[in-house]
Amino acid sequence: QVQLQESGPGQVRPSETLSLTCTVSGASITSYYCNWIRRPPGKGLEWIGYTHYSGSTDSHPSLKSRISNSVDTSKNQFSLKLTSVSAADTAVYYCCLWNDHIKAFEYWGQGTLVTVSS
Amino acid sequence: EIVLTQSPGTLSLSPGERVTLSCRASQSVNSRFLAWYQQKPGQAPRLLIYGASSRAPGIPDKFSGSGSGTDFTLTISRLEPEDFAVYYCQQYGSGSPLTFGGGTKVEIK
Repeated sequence: QVQLQESGPGQVRPSETLSLTCTVSGASITSYYCNWIRRPPGKGLEWIGYTHYSGSTDSHPSLKSRISNSVDTSKNQFSLKLTSVSAADTAVYYCCLWNDHIKAFEYWGQGTLVTVSS
Repeated sequence: EIVLTQSPGTLSLSPGERVTLSCRASQSVNSRFLAWYQQKPGQAPRLLIYGASSRAPGIPDKFSGSGSGTDFTLTISRLEPEDFAVYYCQQYGSGSPLTFGGGTKVEIK
């Protein structure tokens, strides 16, 4: 059974950096593209970006300048850093695994709420 | 960026009814890159359909997907209590960032 668990602070101050880690069990992250998706309050799902153990990365153009992704295959984890946050970055953040064979997000974490507030 | 428009925003239906959800793209989408997800309150989204019409493992055959180009549909043949949720379509294609539709909420009438 594949499980993903997000971890990180539930509150971040404006202008600071949001940092989240996703720990995966039951599957190797080297078999997937590691993604982050968020859902702001009252809104739909927004793709943030992905990283691959090979070093390949991509992110939404609106966030590209503020995103940093990394992968730790020894711990089967991947991480997100989003700099210079504002209230607009308040959301439930999900980590998920993209299966490139079926071209879809096959596994998702439960999500973690991050609130940007002073 | 390809915009996915899901309609209607909310559907009020009774158990046992058949429902068809619409997902319309602002430009043509390769069917291989069109997926549908179900999300219940407090839960992570769950993959239902990939490649526009292929059911994900463990998904019952009451769920079916179809469509091509700019128009895609998700059909639930007979609504059961556990099917009341929000449904999202999602696309990923060359030249456009990955996007989701705004979602359709299927609620109990």
